[in-house]
Amino acid sequence: QKEVEQNSGPLSVPEGAIASLNCTYSDRGSQSFFWYRQYSGKSPELIMSIYSNGDKEDGRFTAQLNKASQYVSLLIRDSQPSDSATYLCAVNRNYQLIWGAGTKLIIKP
Amino acid sequence: GAVVSQHPSWVICKSGTSVKIECRSLDFQATTMFWYRQFPKQSLMLMATSNEGSKATYEQGVEKDKFLINHASLTLSTLTVTSAHPEDSSFYICSAMAGSSGNTEAFFGQGTRLTVV
Repeated sequence: QKEVEQNSGPLSVPEGAIASLNCTYSDRGSQSFFWYRQYSGKSPELIMSIYSNGDKEDGRFTAQLNKASQYVSLLIRDSQPSDSATYLCAVNRNYQLIWGAGTKLIIKP
Repeated sequence: GAVVSQHPSWVICKSGTSVKIECRSLDFQATTMFWYRQFPKQSLMLMATSNEGSKATYEQGVEKDKFLINHASLTLSTLTVTSAHPEDSSFYICSAMAGSSGNTEAFFGQGTRLTVV
């Protein structure tokens, strides 16, 4: 079992809809959780961080963390074609970032 | 977010030569820096983790004598690819973390596309 798991996709969502990305992790000692976006040929860009159970909203993005179930998700509202990218989930465990393989998201106009 | 600057953004070198890539944290002190390599359509692969003033910790399968990492200050880490060969051609990315608690974000440089001919 991988430490951080994501569905590789691609996940295809129509423009204007909500895109839902999920990530599960295996180590209950994980302390903080991040979502990064990576466009093809570019380096990852931090879009959300979440540290405690519940929801955290930032513009069209909402991160959700459930430590009991060991999952973290990212919702993107009003999806735009520019949101098409690979979304990487990362978990901080003892100052090491453990990465998921990423989910490729395609927003169809 | 914090700014991490990586140079050069791309480099072409001849087989057998060495290439140095710099990674600087511009507005924060990076206690920990990470170096990644990414081949086309593949996931990020962690090569090594470096802490300021100490030797880097390399991941299994990464040759420490080939990929020299120096983290001489809290704002600068360098990766030198020695005796580069075409199979070393890849996208190299650094990231920096200002670690003082468990809630620590990592920020990435722009990446360096290395082509060895």
